[in-house]
Amino acid sequence: NAGVTQTPKFRILKIGQSMTLQCAQDMNHNYMYWYRQDPGMGLKLIYYSVGAGITDKGEVPNGYNVSRSTTEDFPLRLELAAPSQTSVYFCASSYSGRGLNTEAFFGQGTRLTVV
Amino acid sequence: DAKTTQPTSMDCAEGRAANLPCNHSTISGNEYVYWYRQIHSQGPQYIIHGLKNNETNEMASLIITEDRKSSTLILPHATLRDTAVYYCIVRARSNDYKLSFGAGTTVTVRA
Repeated sequence: NAGVTQTPKFRILKIGQSMTLQCAQDMNHNYMYWYRQDPGMGLKLIYYSVGAGITDKGEVPNGYNVSRSTTEDFPLRLELAAPSQTSVYFCASSYSGRGLNTEAFFGQGTRLTVV
Repeated sequence: DAKTTQPTSMDCAEGRAANLPCNHSTISGNEYVYWYRQIHSQGPQYIIHGLKNNETNEMASLIITEDRKSSTLILPHATLRDTAVYYCIVRARSNDYKLSFGAGTTVTVRA
């Protein structure tokens, strides 16, 4: 049981490049989330999903896109990287339903630098 | 979700209890108090949560005042590995997607 796995762990992008941050969970959680954390700051919600095929914007969605084609995977896409997207990105998952709500489990993060 | 107020930082001696306060004066009846911590830029880790009764698990205890306007997370015997940023979050359990993190309290455990 690996929990929430994020890849890559580190990445340097040039301005204007694109990339996809991968996130996978093996806990059969229906909820998945993407957060970003700037240095010395708290986490800000980018996008979330309540199940396969359903996604919605969080607090800071501009410049990002997501998809949720399966329960397990929730990739985050950066189309035109900008220096303001330099941050640490965390993926998380949780389960809600049938009277049960679990806490959120987080991945170890992807450290992205845009130069 | 109700807003929370936490001290920016606090120090604690190794082996002593660490008491982390959190104010949430606008909490509503269906909102729980959650605590997470983040160790050195790792992903946040769930610690404990409660509604109105005091809660204890293997990591910590959570004391919620009778009026539910504030709470205290207690680490009974702090170790150096407890050095982390601790986040107090208030939310209704049905709103999983609204897990909103503030700045938290930076706890430094000193030998």
